[in-house]
Amino acid sequence: DVKVTQSSRYLVKRTGEKVFLECVQDMDHENMFWYRQDPGLGLRLIYFSYDVKMKEKGDIPEGYSVSREKKERFSLILESASTNQTSMYLCASSPWIRDRVSEPQHFGDGTRLSIL
Amino acid sequence: AQKVTQAQTEISVVEKEDVTLDCVYETRDTTYYLFWYKQPPSGELVFLIRRNSFDEQNEISGRYSWNFQKSTSSFNFTITASQVVDSAVYFCALSRRGSTLGRLYFGRGTQLTVWP
Repeated sequence: DVKVTQSSRYLVKRTGEKVFLECVQDMDHENMFWYRQDPGLGLRLIYFSYDVKMKEKGDIPEGYSVSREKKERFSLILESASTNQTSMYLCASSPWIRDRVSEPQHFGDGTRLSIL
Repeated sequence: AQKVTQAQTEISVVEKEDVTLDCVYETRDTTYYLFWYKQPPSGELVFLIRRNSFDEQNEISGRYSWNFQKSTSSFNFTITASQVVDSAVYFCALSRRGSTLGRLYFGRGTQLTVWP
């Protein structure tokens, strides 16, 4: 069974801090994704990665960066946290598309981040 | 551009009622995949179903059924005889068949509350 683990369920940080959110998957998936979820806005894609050290911007990358040094781990970094980054953050993984069949993404439990 | 619309923000029903969650999508692709995910209060998104655009057969799984109609670009989800445990946020999503990443384009979600 696929397991996507996010390091914290709840996190409280202060404005201006550098914040790291960690995500680890155990299924050898090539693709990994970071989303943020806000009421009324659904899931919005921040960054994604399709291989080690490879990353692509999603729809709302401003204020964030990512790191993928190992295949199983994908980190989201808030360079200088601001109150408008208070949100639920969800990590997901999926295998590369093969034979043009789109595989479902598997999600972690989410990290509820509060920036004070 | 890909777009998924879930017009119902919130739905409340009483246990044992049937409920249908609407999903309308936009894409210029001729082949694509559609998904439904469930997000219970615990936070993790749980994959429910994937549908290939070539396959317009309706699907039934226990109390869940899905009605895919390409002519109206809709992929609606019906829960029969709803239960309190069905209370969750439900997301509809689309991915492009040609994409190696399988990036998902999500609707904003429908919050379903089932009252005892």
